[in-house]
Amino acid sequence: NAGVTQTPKFRVLKTGQSMTLLCAQDMNHEYMYWYRQDPGMGLRLIHYSVGEGTTAKGEVPDGYNVSRLKKQNFLLGLESAAPSQTSVYFCASSPPGQPKLFFGSGTQLSVL
Amino acid sequence: GDSVTQMEGPVTLSEEAFLTINCTYTATGYPSLFWYVQYPGEGLQLLLKATKADDKGSNKGFEATYRKETTSFHLEKGSVQVSDSAVYFCALSSYSGAGSYQLTFGKGTKLSVIP
Repeated sequence: NAGVTQTPKFRVLKTGQSMTLLCAQDMNHEYMYWYRQDPGMGLRLIHYSVGEGTTAKGEVPDGYNVSRLKKQNFLLGLESAAPSQTSVYFCASSPPGQPKLFFGSGTQLSVL
Repeated sequence: GDSVTQMEGPVTLSEEAFLTINCTYTATGYPSLFWYVQYPGEGLQLLLKATKADDKGSNKGFEATYRKETTSFHLEKGSVQVSDSAVYFCALSSYSGAGSYQLTFGKGTKLSVIP
């Protein structure tokens, strides 16, 4: 009964370093999303995917890249981390045609 | 574009008090409306939803009614418990094509319930 699993749960980076956050879902959902959560800002959509091999930009895509090579996985990459990317990142998935999202437990990222 | 405005927190209540968290929205078309809850250290969970005007969503003693005339979806609970302490997010969904929906979230309201 895993649902949506995010790895890692915590990470500290130095400015300019790169990293990849992994999201895996076992519900066979078509759609997957990456959000960031910042104090007083709510959740903002970074990128999303409507199916394997497809990705699209959300509200705040700059500085991030994503890939959906397999239906169950959605990767979020930071090529050159900046302190402004310090945030909590949430992955979510949903079945097609339904606006109900299932969220992972989040990744706390600090960029020094 | 679409937007959601919810009352700022934090909100602190005593156990068994009445809770209201206000939420208003701006959207084109006819969005579905949601309340999500985030417990400490966890991701968001769907609390309740309403898909059309005058619908009432309810779950775990919480209720919210979709009011098209006032573009509101206020969250209420008659008697809160310590276990209700969490951050509550109001959200709306809009259709973005190809069968996909996007959620627009409010900024969240932190609720603390004290014994």
